[in-house]
Amino acid sequence: GEDVEQSLFLSVREGDSSVINCTYTDSSSTYLYWYKQEPGAGLQLLTYIFSNMDMKQDQRLTVLLNKKDKHLSLRIADTQTGDSAIYFCAEKPMTTDSWGKLQFGAGTQVVVTP
Amino acid sequence: DTGVSQDPRHKITKRGQNVTFRCDPISEHNRLYWYRQTLGQGPEFLTYFQNEAQLEKSRLLSDRFSAERPKGSFSTLEIQRTEQGDSAMYLCASSYYKGGMNTEAFFGQGTRLTVV
Repeated sequence: GEDVEQSLFLSVREGDSSVINCTYTDSSSTYLYWYKQEPGAGLQLLTYIFSNMDMKQDQRLTVLLNKKDKHLSLRIADTQTGDSAIYFCAEKPMTTDSWGKLQFGAGTQVVVTP
Repeated sequence: DTGVSQDPRHKITKRGQNVTFRCDPISEHNRLYWYRQTLGQGPEFLTYFQNEAQLEKSRLLSDRFSAERPKGSFSTLEIQRTEQGDSAMYLCASSYYKGGMNTEAFFGQGTRLTVV
């Protein structure tokens, strides 16, 4: 089973904010990531947060990290139809020195309706 | 260099056949990773290389799977005697590592394998 859990589906109206939630189990994780995957495409890194931070903002994206509850969220402001995709939460456990060896969740399908 | 390139994009094969996929990383990246993604799931780590050395293999990588990176540039992933359960998207990623510091990993578009 996966150590990173996400809700499977989110429907949001264009212009509203989307919030995608993720819980992880490895408290030693040093970095936590959000990736976006569009149909038939590879993974695109959207943003990441270091474990000693609570929040990170990057244009329309806001990442919130609650280390105590091992909870990560991604907020997308002013959601557009181009934001329709699968969003993956991923963690980099402390036990690995390799940036690329990540533990992914199953992904949240975000559908933006006009 | 436009990013990580994978070939082919799609492969349909009959059960029992061997298949080989290729990944060309970003040219200055010395680390290369293979992941497998089945329908409705997130990517699962298979193996990674630093230059030509294969540093780690997941338990998911059965003895029918072999990965190589002979010159520390492109990599191949071979699956022998394919089974229907091997049907998945195979993703390659690369990053640059030096002195304990890593860049982020950039992913290719993947090779979708269908075993019939």
